[in-house]
Amino acid sequence: KQEVTQIPAALSVPEGENLVLNCSFTDSAIYNLQWFRQDPGKGLTSLLLIQSSQREQTSGRLNASLDKSSGRSTLYIAASQPGDSATYLCAVNSGGYQKVTFGTGTKLQVIP
Amino acid sequence: DARVTQTPRHKVTEMGQEVTMRCQPILGHNTVFWYRQTMMQGLELLAYFRNRAPLDDSGMPKDRFSAEMPDATLATLKIQPSEPRDSAVYFCASGQGATAGELFFGEGSRLTVL
Repeated sequence: KQEVTQIPAALSVPEGENLVLNCSFTDSAIYNLQWFRQDPGKGLTSLLLIQSSQREQTSGRLNASLDKSSGRSTLYIAASQPGDSATYLCAVNSGGYQKVTFGTGTKLQVIP
Repeated sequence: DARVTQTPRHKVTEMGQEVTMRCQPILGHNTVFWYRQTMMQGLELLAYFRNRAPLDDSGMPKDRFSAEMPDATLATLKIQPSEPRDSAVYFCASGQGATAGELFFGEGSRLTVL
C-alpha cells in the first residue's frame, strides 16, 4: 500500500525566501505525482503534474522535481510571497485513479 | 474559465435528513471523482466514474451513500439518512484519460450534520 508523507507539517518563512517542500512515497512504481495548494475553506488548486518519465516541471516561481528511485518529490518555491501562504499537498498516482494517495500536506506561512 | 462547480457550498442539516450534493465537471472531462476531506482522515476517495459509468465506489458506505451521473454534465452524491459522522467537506474532481491524468477539484461542499 502506497504511503505518502509530507514533512514538515507546518513551515513559517519570511517573505522573499526560497523554500523547499518535501513529499516522500514508499512505492516507486508510480504513474505520476501532482502538487496542489489548498487555501482555507477552498478546494485544491493544481500546481504541477509530473509524469513518471519526467524529472521536473516548472511553472513560474514553482519547480517540482521527482526522484522515483528514492521515493521523493520536492516543490521549490522561489522568492516566496505572502500570497503563497496555503497548505500544499502532493498526490501520488500508483496505478490508476483509484490508487491516488494524498499526503497530509505542509501548511506554509510566508510572513511579510 | 474551465472549472469544476459544486453546489451547495455549505449545508447544515439534522441527523436523519437526506442530503444531495451536485457537481458539474469541466466540459470534456470524462472522469469524475467524489472525495471526502476530514481533519482525521485527510482526503478519501468515495467513488469515481468514467464516461458516466461507476468504476469504483468501494470507499463509500453503501447503506447510506449513493453516487450517480445522470448525464455528462452532472454528478450527484446523496446521503440518506445523514449522520453526524458524515460531517466533512465533500469534493468533486474531474479529469481526462483512463488512469492518470491531471485532477481538477471543485471548491467543495461543507456538510454539517447536527
